Amino acid sequence: GNSVTQMEGPVTLSEEAFLTINCTYTATGYPSLFWYVQYPGEGLQLLLKATKADDKGSNKGFEATYRKETTSFHLEKGSVQVSDSAVYFCALSDQGFQKLVFGTGTRLLVSP
Amino acid sequence: DTGVSQNPRHKITKRGQNVTFRCDPISEHNRLYWYRQTLGQGPEFLTYFQNEAQLEKSRLLSDRFSAERPKGSFSTLEIQRTEQGDSAMYLCASSPRTAQGYGYTFGSGTRLTVV
Repeated sequence: GNSVTQMEGPVTLSEEAFLTINCTYTATGYPSLFWYVQYPGEGLQLLLKATKADDKGSNKGFEATYRKETTSFHLEKGSVQVSDSAVYFCALSDQGFQKLVFGTGTRLLVSP
Repeated sequence: DTGVSQNPRHKITKRGQNVTFRCDPISEHNRLYWYRQTLGQGPEFLTYFQNEAQLEKSRLLSDRFSAERPKGSFSTLEIQRTEQGDSAMYLCASSPRTAQGYGYTFGSGTRLTVV
C-alpha cells in the first residue's frame, strides 16, 4: 500500500539556519504530495503541495520539489525563524480516492 | 467562511462511557473526513463521507465507533464504551468534491482522554 517515510526528529536549528526535512514515499501511479504543519495545540495546516513530477510547491519561504525518480519530496527553507518551530508532516493522496496518508512527522525546534 | 470547526476541543471521560464529537465542515465542501492522531504519530484515516454517504471506513474503526453526516452538512463521531486506547486527538477535515491535489482543510481537533 501507499506509505510515507520521514526523517526522525527533533531537528534542532539556530535562527537563520538552512532547513531540510527528508520525505520519501511509496505509491502506485501518480500521487499528489503535501506538506502540512502543526503548531502546538492546533490542527494541521496545509503548507504546500505538488501534483505531478518536477512540480515545486512553495509557501512562506518553504519549498519542496516532487521527484518521481527518487520518490522524494524533501522540505527546504533557506533561513528558519523561531516561529517555524512546529511539527511537519509529509503526506500523499492517491489518484483515486484522495485519502491522505501521512508520515510520522518531524519536530522542528528553532532557537534564537 | 470560518473554516472547519470541531467541538468540543477537549473531552475527558471515564472508561466505559460514550462520547460524541461534532465537526462542521466548510459549507461548500461536500467531502468530510475523520482522522485519529496519537502522540508522536501522524494522523490515521478513519472514515470519509461524500455528502451524506459514508463511502469508506478504515479497519481502525471498530464496531464501537460510528460516524454520521445527516443531510450532508455537519458530522458526528461517536465512540461507545470508551477504552483507554481510544485516547487520542480526533481530527476532522473537509474538501471540495474534486480534491485531487487540493489538500484538505483540517479543524483544530478534539482531544479525548479516557481515564
